[in-house]
Amino acid sequence: DAGVIQSPRHEVTEMGQEVTLRCKPISGHDYLFWYRQTMMRGLELLIYFNNNVPIDDSGMPEDRFSAKMPNASFSTLKIQPSEPRDSAVYFCASRQRDLGANVLTFGAGSRLTVL
Amino acid sequence: TQLLEQSPQFLSIQEGENLTVYCNSSSVFSSLQWYRQEPGEGPVLLVTVVTGGEVKKLKRLTFQFGDARKDSSLHITAAQPGDTGLYLCAGGSGYALNFGKGTSLLVTP
Repeated sequence: DAGVIQSPRHEVTEMGQEVTLRCKPISGHDYLFWYRQTMMRGLELLIYFNNNVPIDDSGMPEDRFSAKMPNASFSTLKIQPSEPRDSAVYFCASRQRDLGANVLTFGAGSRLTVL
Repeated sequence: TQLLEQSPQFLSIQEGENLTVYCNSSSVFSSLQWYRQEPGEGPVLLVTVVTGGEVKKLKRLTFQFGDARKDSSLHITAAQPGDTGLYLCAGGSGYALNFGKGTSLLVTP
């Protein structure tokens, strides 16, 4: 398996522009998580899905952020409009089915810079 | 949100030295996990500890879960440059994991 695939790896955009980050989880994983990592705040959970349904979006910072999972093999995180404080590395992770412990496999991340 | 505090924040040592990093919380966890993250990559799971007082060894790495299941430690023996990275502890209720901010370790030859 190729693991969790994220794109783009790097994105530089200007304030006010729309940003879409993409994630392909590992086949057969039934949970998908979006995290944001900054030096100041570390890894923060934004939202997670179970079987394509959003379960908890309490970590989404504000209405400018939205996430979708139209099918088991694809998810997007959208920021509209983007602001400089959104600059961070955004990680997608998926969970292996039927394990007792909550084992997450992370993608390599999407580094977002908003100018 | 169950907060996880990690210490030290940064650690710079020479090859061959031993070190211990800590993960503490006021909350009780059913399990705790340790991940290592290298620059430009996502975190990778090292170990999961489940039972209070449990000790797990992974080559030169020794992980311990506190008796009260509120804290954990990671001890590295004879550190090598390949151990350089960000070490993160994680825990949570249900399916959502909360992470500490991590200990950034640099091992120089």
